[in-house]
Amino acid sequence: KNEVEQSPQNLTAQEGEFITINCSYSVGISALHWLQQHPGGGIVSLFMLSSGKKKHGRLIATINIQEKHSSLHITASHPRDSAVYICAVYKTSYDKVIFGPGTSLSVIP
Amino acid sequence: KAGVTQTPRYLIKTRGQQVTLSCSPISGHRSVSWYQQTPGQGLQFLFEYFSETQRNKGNFPGRFSGRQFSNSRSEMNVSTLELGDSALYLCASSLGAAPEQFFGPGTRLTVL
Repeated sequence: KNEVEQSPQNLTAQEGEFITINCSYSVGISALHWLQQHPGGGIVSLFMLSSGKKKHGRLIATINIQEKHSSLHITASHPRDSAVYICAVYKTSYDKVIFGPGTSLSVIP
Repeated sequence: KAGVTQTPRYLIKTRGQQVTLSCSPISGHRSVSWYQQTPGQGLQFLFEYFSETQRNKGNFPGRFSGRQFSNSRSEMNVSTLELGDSALYLCASSLGAAPEQFFGPGTRLTVL
């Protein structure tokens, strides 16, 4: 079993839909990072979380440390949100980062 | 502030050769991490440098090495290239005290 899992693996949504991407992990962590990777490879940092909830524009990230689970929500999705979303966890003391397999999102106009 | 830059952006090498990739972090960032991304394995951590010292290392063979200079710029070297080394190599920088990382555009290495 992978230490970091994401669901769903692939997601197709209509423009305007509310989207949720989930990340579950099995290790003790200091922080969790949500990343966005567009075709071509560039990776953008979305959120770094160690507790609670963060919001930026149409994006919301939550984390439940006890349940070892985080969610990334996109409200009013747009075709430009089409990308791979990657969850990364920093193990205790930040000495190792483990990446999830990514969720490929396609938003159709 | 300029972002993380990586050179070259694309590289084609043959088996057995060696390659050096370069990463310039965001000004003021002292930590540079390197990652390998392949379709089969996803993103994997190679190593992290902080203040010219390797602070953490992933599970890669000794053919993969790196260094960091006093200006925080970092280089990654892969010797005796294998076909399986074909990948996107990404570097990311952070302040060091805070782990949030900022990624460069990557170097796409193809080994023939």
